[in-house]
Amino acid sequence: GNSVTQMEGPVTLSEEAFLTINCTYTATGYPSLFWYVQYPGEGLQLLLKATKADDKGSNKGFEATYRKETTSFHLEKGSVQVSDSAVYFCALSDGNTGGFKTIFGAGTRLFVKA
Amino acid sequence: GAGVSQSPRYKVAKRGQDVALRCDPISGHVSLFWYQQALGQGPEFLTYFQNEAQLDKSGLPSDRFFAERPEGSVSTLKIQRTQQEDSAVYLCASTPRGEQFFGPGTRLTVL
Repeated sequence: GNSVTQMEGPVTLSEEAFLTINCTYTATGYPSLFWYVQYPGEGLQLLLKATKADDKGSNKGFEATYRKETTSFHLEKGSVQVSDSAVYFCALSDGNTGGFKTIFGAGTRLFVKA
Repeated sequence: GAGVSQSPRYKVAKRGQDVALRCDPISGHVSLFWYQQALGQGPEFLTYFQNEAQLDKSGLPSDRFFAERPEGSVSTLKIQRTQQEDSAVYLCASTPRGEQFFGPGTRLTVL
């Protein structure tokens, strides 16, 4: 079945450091890929998405590229801020976005120190 | 409303009690999902509605779990005879088509 594997946390970085959170997936079809973020005390929010191979999703300085050849969707940010401290979830969805169930990774907690 | 709302936000139940968790989706959103999120884990799919039709309930862990959305808007997730392993955050999400908008969740603790 479909699955998502992401790097275990926690990840601790200093402010302005470069961030990479690895995510790989297994899927039989052509899923859409997502990164969701959960800030402390808040609900899950969509951070970015990509719907087909080689698409790059970006938002708030975060980027991720849909790599079909390596079945990966790694999250990157060039310079993290304290306010980026949160739990990040990689996810995939069968078929078109939203119309089908979403499968989530276990989450990676990020701590950014001032 | 402005977003997806869920109630109660916190629920403590004694083992064996029945509980009902409510989700109010964003008005007009056709699709509604329920997820279960155990501590330190990602959300896991429970069930999916399109309007009032429950199109996928493959993630419901047992027949003690039941969900409904009778008028295609508000949804209720019911858990009968709760067990300790049911302790988790239950998330609801709605979508018109595309991005899923999540509610804050209901944290269920079964003692």
